[in-house]
Amino acid sequence: EPEVTQTPSHQVTQMGQEVILRCVPISNHLYFYWYRQILGQKVEFLVSFYNNEISEKSEIFDDQFSVERPDGSNFTLKIRSTKLEDSAMYFCASSEIQHNEKLFFGSGTQLSVL
Amino acid sequence: AQSVAQPEDQVNVAEGNPLTVKCTYSVSGNPYLFWYVQYPNRGLQFLLKYITGDNLVKGSYGFEAEFNKSQTSFHLKKPSALVSDSALYFCAVRDFNKFYFGSGTKLNVKP
Repeated sequence: EPEVTQTPSHQVTQMGQEVILRCVPISNHLYFYWYRQILGQKVEFLVSFYNNEISEKSEIFDDQFSVERPDGSNFTLKIRSTKLEDSAMYFCASSEIQHNEKLFFGSGTQLSVL
Repeated sequence: AQSVAQPEDQVNVAEGNPLTVKCTYSVSGNPYLFWYVQYPNRGLQFLLKYITGDNLVKGSYGFEAEFNKSQTSFHLKKPSALVSDSALYFCAVRDFNKFYFGSGTKLNVKP
């Protein structure tokens, strides 16, 4: 089965630093998502992306977050000035069509902000 | 707002025994419910879904789930657990193009 790949698997950064989390969605997918899970809490929706623009975002996705599809394959999440509370597992996902129920997820990037 | 709850952080079961992983939901309108599984160092993998129709839904790896409208539940079940079923299980509800996930239940199947 095709897979979404995420890099790095672990990222440690100092508070206030910028981080970029990278994802390669499945090649024929059109919709892309970022989710995160703080340890012991629910998996939370951050943002969805289609046709080179954000289609929906949660209240978590404030001005310090941004997403980009810089080329035909990568999908990135940037956190401009990390905070301690940004420490979480970040999951990228993609799907073929918007209302297709099946999301394909990456294995996640564990972000630790010190 | 849509939400799901998984009341158990962990479920322990012996291999060969039936297993149940619980999920309750709160939705406005018709619920679109899902189960995903996460194995160590892997992404979340789709197991099964309920959109409409039969209350008993069959999915991958021998899993099934029972939709119960009166109890607002969507419990995941398997008649005979395998050690290889040990993983983290997430219940989710879909609201347009967003999924709302539960906090996950760790299933431990012991030989």
